[in-house]
Amino acid sequence: AQSVSQHNHHVILSEAASLELGCNYSYGGTVNLFWYVQYPGQHLQLLLKYFSGDPLVKGIKGFEAEFIKSKFSFNLRKPSVQWSDTAEYFCAVNALGSGNTGKLIFGQGTTLQVKP
Amino acid sequence: GAGVSQSPSNKVTEKGKDVELRCDPISGHTALYWYRQRLGQGLEFLIYFQGNSAPDKSGLPSDRFSAERTGESVSTLTIQRTQQEDSAVYLCASSLVTDYNQPQHFGDGTRLSIL
Repeated sequence: AQSVSQHNHHVILSEAASLELGCNYSYGGTVNLFWYVQYPGQHLQLLLKYFSGDPLVKGIKGFEAEFIKSKFSFNLRKPSVQWSDTAEYFCAVNALGSGNTGKLIFGQGTTLQVKP
Repeated sequence: GAGVSQSPSNKVTEKGKDVELRCDPISGHTALYWYRQRLGQGLEFLIYFQGNSAPDKSGLPSDRFSAERTGESVSTLTIQRTQQEDSAVYLCASSLVTDYNQPQHFGDGTRLSIL
């Protein structure tokens, strides 16, 4: 069965520190990849997505992610975090192929706390 | 409205009761998904609607769970004879078309607590 693993469950950083959140998935075929963010008291929002092409994708608020197919990874990065980045971050995969219904397989989520 | 709307936002009920959760997708979105998020876990897929048919029900955890959708509009998720393990946040998402290259837009969820 397909699965998504996020390595860090809770990350605490000071403002201006660099961020990298790990995400690995298990599926041998073609995938669409997503990072969603949930700010306190808000609904899930799309941060960025990868469908094809350049494996380095840029999203909102200075976030980027790199798809490394050989490592089945899609790690999220930001060079300098802000207090307002405090949120929960979810990696998600849509496994393409026959029978695909667009359903997303989510990782457990990573809670990021940025200290001012 | 502009986004996916879910109601109620919170529901507390006694074990054994039936509950009905509602989702209003973004107008024009043909695809609709239900997910569940239990405490400390990621979202689990429950069911997918394309229009008013449900070609993928593979995530429904038991026959106590059912869902329906009226046309390309409102969907309801029904849980019969609720159990404590059903406590979770139930999230609905919709997307524009069926090529799966459209992102899913999520509602605020219904927080269900079974006493």
